[in-house]
Formats: sequence, structure tokens, C-alpha cells
Amino acid sequence: QSALTQPASVSGSPGQSITISCTGTSSDVGGYNYVSWYQQHPGKAPKLMIYEVSNRPSGVSNRFSGSKSGNTASLTISGLQAEDEADYYCSSYTSSSSVVFGGGTKLTVL
Amino acid sequence: EVQLVESGGGLIQPGGSLRLSCAASGFTVSSNYMSWVRQAPGKGLEWVSVIYSGGSTYYADSVKGRFTISRDNSKNTLYLQMNSLRAEDTAVYYCARDLLLGWFDPWGQGTLVTVSS
Repeated sequence: QSALTQPASVSGSPGQSITISCTGTSSDVGGYNYVSWYQQHPGKAPKLMIYEVSNRPSGVSNRFSGSKSGNTASLTISGLQAEDEADYYCSSYTSSSSVVFGGGTKLTVL
Repeated sequence: EVQLVESGGGLIQPGGSLRLSCAASGFTVSSNYMSWVRQAPGKGLEWVSVIYSGGSTYYADSVKGRFTISRDNSKNTLYLQMNSLRAEDTAVYYCARDLLLGWFDPWGQGTLVTVSS
């Protein structure tokens, strides 16, 4: 199972919005609504930010939103804040009863 | 509070074996899907294995036949038995509750496994 494709890095200024894409195939992202997004700060465990494409867990800011079109899912962060600077990973359930992650995107807040 | 605590990592020679443990509190391991996810130094996340509440297990191709996921219901603990370890298995191993087919929450703090001679 090949990793989902994410941009290696994105950046934005405080207050701006950014979008991170996550491209897979019809066997994973395109075939299921089981796409999740995780935030990981250096040296820390990942934290769930979005599940089932667009749902936010309790306690996650509404500045984070998710969507999907075809084989590509997206995470949008609005009103960028300094603490949003982190690595972001998407994941998807697959037709092989496995889970595949994206390669990760480093978000820099300028 | 829902919490996961991993243990069992360390330095091991290539070809060796190691068993990781993941003690859960605040929920019942056997009633949930539970997964292991690893992260090699400076690299991204890689899903390793899952055990469903019904007992079915699945593995990434990279570890199939070498790793075994299991649980001890009496101890509310998840395990990962790792055999025939290779240098490329070097990583921080996280356990996570899998709420629904890849929806991981929470995660443990991770335990480092280093495979080196």
C-alpha cells in the first residue's frame, strides 16, 4: 500500500488560511469516508484533529475543517496561530483492511 | 481519564525479538479496535497492525509474518510481539485506540525500539 500524497511543506502568516491536500486512490481516500487528520508537535504523540473526513473531536478548534472530493481530502486551517505550527498527517482506511498515512506536511507559521 | 502507556522498547540486535506492551486505563481494550503505529526517526507515521474487538487481526505488509498483535483482557493491555527484527524496524512505536477504521484517539506516548548491532 503506497503512502497518501501530501505536500512536504506549507506556510502562512498569522490570521491567514491554509489548506493541506491528501491524495490517494479509489481503494482508500476515494472509496471510504474514513479519512482522519493528525497534528504532531516535535517530540510529541500525534493528536486527532479531524475524523470521518470532516468531523472535529470535542476540544478541537473550529478553525480546523476537513473535506473530500474524489480521491483527494483536504485540511483547512483558518485564522492561523503560532501554535498551529506542527506536522500534519492524513490517514485513510483501505480496501485491504489496513490504514495508510500520508507522508506528512510541515506547517510553518511565518 | 482515557490513557495509554507503552513500555518494552529498547536496543535489540538484528534478528532478535521484543515484546511491546500498552496498558490502557479509562476504557476496555477488548471492546475496542486497537492499533500499533510506528514512526522511524525523522520520518512519517506508518500503520503497523490492528486487532478488532472480535479478535481479527491485520498487519502491514512490511511486518506480516514477523509481528503479532494480541491483548490480555484481564490486564486490559495490548501487546506487539516483534520477531526477526531488522534495522528498518527502528522507530517509536505508538499504540492507539482505533475508534473506527483508522480514527486513532487517544495515542500513547510511544516507546523507542532501536535495532542495531
